[in-house]
Amino acid sequence: ETGVTQSPTHLIKTRGQQVTLRCSSQSGHNTVSWYQQALGQGPQFIFQYYREEENGRGNFPPRFSGLQFPNYSSELNVNALELDDSALYLCASSFARNEQFFGPGTRLTVL
Amino acid sequence: QQQVKQSPQSLIVQKGGISIINCAYENTAFDYFPWYQQFPGKGPALLIAIRPDVSEKKEGRFTISFNKSAKQFSLHIMDSQPGDSATYFCAASMDNQGGKLIFGQGTELSVKP
Repeated sequence: ETGVTQSPTHLIKTRGQQVTLRCSSQSGHNTVSWYQQALGQGPQFIFQYYREEENGRGNFPPRFSGLQFPNYSSELNVNALELDDSALYLCASSFARNEQFFGPGTRLTVL
Repeated sequence: QQQVKQSPQSLIVQKGGISIINCAYENTAFDYFPWYQQFPGKGPALLIAIRPDVSEKKEGRFTISFNKSAKQFSLHIMDSQPGDSATYFCAASMDNQGGKLIFGQGTELSVKP
């Protein structure tokens, strides 16, 4: 059984650029949630996707958007990057509302 | 207010001792309370979780104690080992919000040999 995978591992961008992060959910899972974890903080919920539809959103601006594909993998897109967007971005997969299992994360640095 | 407060921020325990981390929540609608362990450079790993219909759950050396009336829950790590040194996060969620996890601020545990 393959766990949650994310790509890329690390990414460096400059202010104003756009970025796409990718997540493959664990086998058998149909729900993907994205979280932002700033250094020294707990993860903050960005949004969740279930059956290719957004199913809940945290307190993040519209420049944070996402997609879920028929194979349940997902993308997180961030437009007009700001310095404060520098963080570890975590993807978690689950079957419906059950336990969420996290991937290793993508470390994004915005210069 | 959807908030989870975690303490202490950091904890040092001797090998073989008991590590105790506490969390308090505001929203009585929360109905699922997991604990995650995170090593540097890794994603959080689910350790153990509890729902409010039980007061205690034990899995190996890890125990969750839950006090519904006080709106508090805690993680106890028995016989703490140096390999347990990591950051621990409590979290809470509501089924009617699709399982959106609200995390505490984290506790950095260091177990000294």
